[in-house]
Amino acid sequence: QIHLQESGPGLVKPSETLSLTCSVSGGSVTSDYWSWIRQAPGKGLEWMGYIYYSGTSRYHPSLKSRVTISVDTAKNQVSLHLTSVTPADTALYFCARDLGVGGAGSLDIWGQGTMVIVSS
Amino acid sequence: DIQVTQSPSSLSASVGDRVTITCRASQPVGSYLAWYQQKPGKVPKLLIHSAYTLQSGAPSRFIGGGSGTDFTLTISSLQPEDVATYFCLTYNTPPWTFGQGTKVEFK
Repeated sequence: QIHLQESGPGLVKPSETLSLTCSVSGGSVTSDYWSWIRQAPGKGLEWMGYIYYSGTSRYHPSLKSRVTISVDTAKNQVSLHLTSVTPADTALYFCARDLGVGGAGSLDIWGQGTMVIVSS
Repeated sequence: DIQVTQSPSSLSASVGDRVTITCRASQPVGSYLAWYQQKPGKVPKLLIHSAYTLQSGAPSRFIGGGSGTDFTLTISSLQPEDVATYFCLTYNTPPWTFGQGTKVEFK
């Protein structure tokens, strides 16, 4: 059974870079696509982007200039980097297995999420 | 980008009621539509993918339908544990797009 666990700093200063890690256990990060999704307090869900271990990636156009998702196969982890953050980036950040690419399913397994607050 | 309009934004119903939530996509997405349930403070849970395929472990009272641009999630007999917010998600072409959510409460 695949299990995902997000981790990273809970507080980031405005204009700095937000960096989060998603550790994959019970499976290999090379087996599937992986997405990051965020949810601002009291708001809906926003898909940020996905990656495959080969490097294939797609990002939400609204974030494209600031977001990078990468895979570390040695550590079995997926990472998210979001530059030039503002308070609007305050949210609960989730990683998820993405079976939507290729139409085999959807975002079926999610981590518990990690809360990030952007504040000076 | 595909825009998704989900309705209603909230609804109140009684135990045993049949409840229907709708998502409309701004352009055809085939059957690449999923439904999620999110309880307060919890992680979204996949209920339906590929428009009507019940995810393993999801109760059979959750029924997905539609194709193209118009989709529905029906709860055939509302149960107390179904109080939650429901989101649709299109994944035809990136960016994947979530609906705004429907909060289901009891009368």
